[in-house]
Amino acid sequence: NAGVTQTPKFQVLKTGQSMTLQCAQDMNHNSMYWYRQDPGMGLRLIYYSASEGTTDKGEVPNGYNVSRLNKREFSLRLESAAPSQTSVYFCASSFSAYEQYFGPGTRLTVT
Amino acid sequence: KQEVTQIPAALSVPEGENLVLNCSFTDSAIYNLQWFRQDPGKGLTSLLLIQSSQREQTSGRLNASLDKSSGRSTLYIAASQPGDSATYLCAVENDYKLSFGAGTTVTVRA
Repeated sequence: NAGVTQTPKFQVLKTGQSMTLQCAQDMNHNSMYWYRQDPGMGLRLIYYSASEGTTDKGEVPNGYNVSRLNKREFSLRLESAAPSQTSVYFCASSFSAYEQYFGPGTRLTVT
Repeated sequence: KQEVTQIPAALSVPEGENLVLNCSFTDSAIYNLQWFRQDPGKGLTSLLLIQSSQREQTSGRLNASLDKSSGRSTLYIAASQPGDSATYLCAVENDYKLSFGAGTTVTVRA
C-alpha cells in the first residue's frame, strides 16, 4: 500500500499562474482533506470531502477550489496564485471520524 | 471556533529523561484527539488517537491522556532517545474537521 500520495513534491509559480495539486489514497477511505502549514502555525484546513461527491469549506478556503474525482482522488486547484499562498500543502484521508493519514506534502512557492 | 494550544513551543532534554507535552483546547465537544509526529521537511505520522469516550491510550513508550471536561491532553514519552527529536502536534476533531496546535519541537541531547 502506498497510503496517501501527493504530486508534485515541489513547485514554484509566478503570481497569477494556476496549478492543480493531486492527491490519491489507496486505503478505501471515504473522507479526504487538504491542509496548509505555515511556519510557526498549526495545519489549517482548506477544504474537505466527507464522502465521494461532496466537498465543504474548511477554515481557509479563499483562493482555492477542490474536486473529489472519485473515491481515491481529491485535487486542489489554485486559479490565480498569490504570494500569500506560499506554503506546504498536505492531503490526508480517513474513515469518517477516525485516524487521519497524511501524505508527504507539496512545497509551493509563489513569487 | 476551536482553539488548540501547545505549551511549551520548544523543549530540550538530555537522553533518558521523560518528556511531558501539553495540549489544551477550548471546545470540549470533540470526537477524538490525535497526537502526531513531524520530522523536518516531512509529513505527519500519527502516534496515538484517543476517542472522546476514552481517558488514555498507550503505545510502547508513549502514553496520551485526555480530560475532555478540562480541555486538556498530555503526551508522555518515557526514557527519551535522540531519535525522539521531532515536532509533536496535537489535533482535535469536531464534525470531520481537525484543528491543530502549533506544535512542540523536542530536542533530545545525546
